[in-house]
Amino acid sequence: GQQVMQIPQYQHVQEGEDFTTYCNSSTTLSNIQWYKQRPGGHPVFLIQLVKSGEVKKQKRLTFQFGEAKKNSSLHITATQTTDVGTYFCAGPMDSNYQLIWGAGTKLIIKP
Amino acid sequence: DSGVTQTPKHLITATGQRVTLRCSPRSGDLSVYWYQQSLDQGLQFLIQYYNGEERAKGNILERFSAQQFPDLHSELNLSSLELGDSALYFCASSSGTSVTSSTDTQYFGPGTRLTVL
Repeated sequence: GQQVMQIPQYQHVQEGEDFTTYCNSSTTLSNIQWYKQRPGGHPVFLIQLVKSGEVKKQKRLTFQFGEAKKNSSLHITATQTTDVGTYFCAGPMDSNYQLIWGAGTKLIIKP
Repeated sequence: DSGVTQTPKHLITATGQRVTLRCSPRSGDLSVYWYQQSLDQGLQFLIQYYNGEERAKGNILERFSAQQFPDLHSELNLSSLELGDSALYFCASSSGTSVTSSTDTQYFGPGTRLTVL
């Protein structure tokens, strides 16, 4: 069936280092959404990408949607403690348009 | 604060029991979604309602059911509970204005943590 895979599952970084999470879909997506879930919190919408090759920035966060609209990435420059959490990507299923979610990448900042 | 409310925050119950989780969407949102998140796992879509009617079903067990009422709040009923049902249950809402809902931003509530002993 249709899948959205996200890697890595965990990433430990020193504060100030960069962080990247990758999302790969088994099928072409009409759009992809990114959410962040802080520890003990709920997912919060970050951004939606719709166009092939689209790049969007939010301060230190850079989001990319692949040319084939099957992959996406989120890159954080110079991580801060406030970036800690799990980052999820989600794309709509072909069958019922519901979002199918990646398993998430947990960002852990090493002290 | 997303504007989505969920009650209760925590629920502890025994196997075989039945519980009801409640969700009130953001003002004006017509769509409500239910998700299950097991410990340190991703989100599993359960079901979506739009303006009182079921719109889509995901991996929802037959022991689980949901409904959306005329005032747009929603309830998720979980019965014959098993240990494996212990999880965080999130409700999300969206405006539901796009035909497919696939481009709608979802706003999540704080979740209900269910523990089945």
